[in-house]
Amino acid sequence: ETGVTQSPTHLIKTRGQQVTLRCSSQSGHNTVSWYQQALGQGPQFIFQYYREEENGRGNFPPRFSGLQFPNYSSELNVNALELDDSALYLCASSSSRSNTGELFFGEGSRLTVL
Amino acid sequence: EDQVTQSPEALRLQEGESSSLNCSYTVSGLRGLFWYRQDPGKGPEFLFTLYSAGEEKEKERLKATLTKKESFLHITAPKPEDSATYLCAGWDSNYQLIWGAGTKLIIKP
Repeated sequence: ETGVTQSPTHLIKTRGQQVTLRCSSQSGHNTVSWYQQALGQGPQFIFQYYREEENGRGNFPPRFSGLQFPNYSSELNVNALELDDSALYLCASSSSRSNTGELFFGEGSRLTVL
Repeated sequence: EDQVTQSPEALRLQEGESSSLNCSYTVSGLRGLFWYRQDPGKGPEFLFTLYSAGEEKEKERLKATLTKKESFLHITAPKPEDSATYLCAGWDSNYQLIWGAGTKLIIKP
């Protein structure tokens, strides 16, 4: 069973640039959600994708956008980067067929905005 | 507004010294309460889900309990490898997780 994988693991960008983060979901999982985790804080929900559609969104501006592909992998795109976007970005996968709500997380992408 | 609050922010224990971590919640239509463990620079790792008040679950040295207002993660005779940040999250009526900020647990040998 393949776990959730994210890339890149670390990256540095400058203010105003754009970034794309990638996530491959765990085998058998059809739902992907993205979280932002600032240092010393809990994860903050960005959005969730199911069947290639966004089906839930947290309190994040439109410059945070995403995609889900037919193989259930996903991308998170952030435009016009701001200093406060520096954080660990976590991808989590789950199955809509499960009623437990359990999420399986990747190891995250650490984004630093200078 | 839905909220999850964890205490203490940090806890230092000697190896073998048992203690408890607290998670207080106000989550409308709570479907479940999750506990995760997070090591530095890693993603959270699932530990437990509790669905109703009075429920308890155990895994090795950890035991999670749930009441109508809070959850406790009890750690018995901890070892240095139990050092991590422990996160709790409430699963709300919209199937979203509301996360606490975590308790950083340090177990000294």
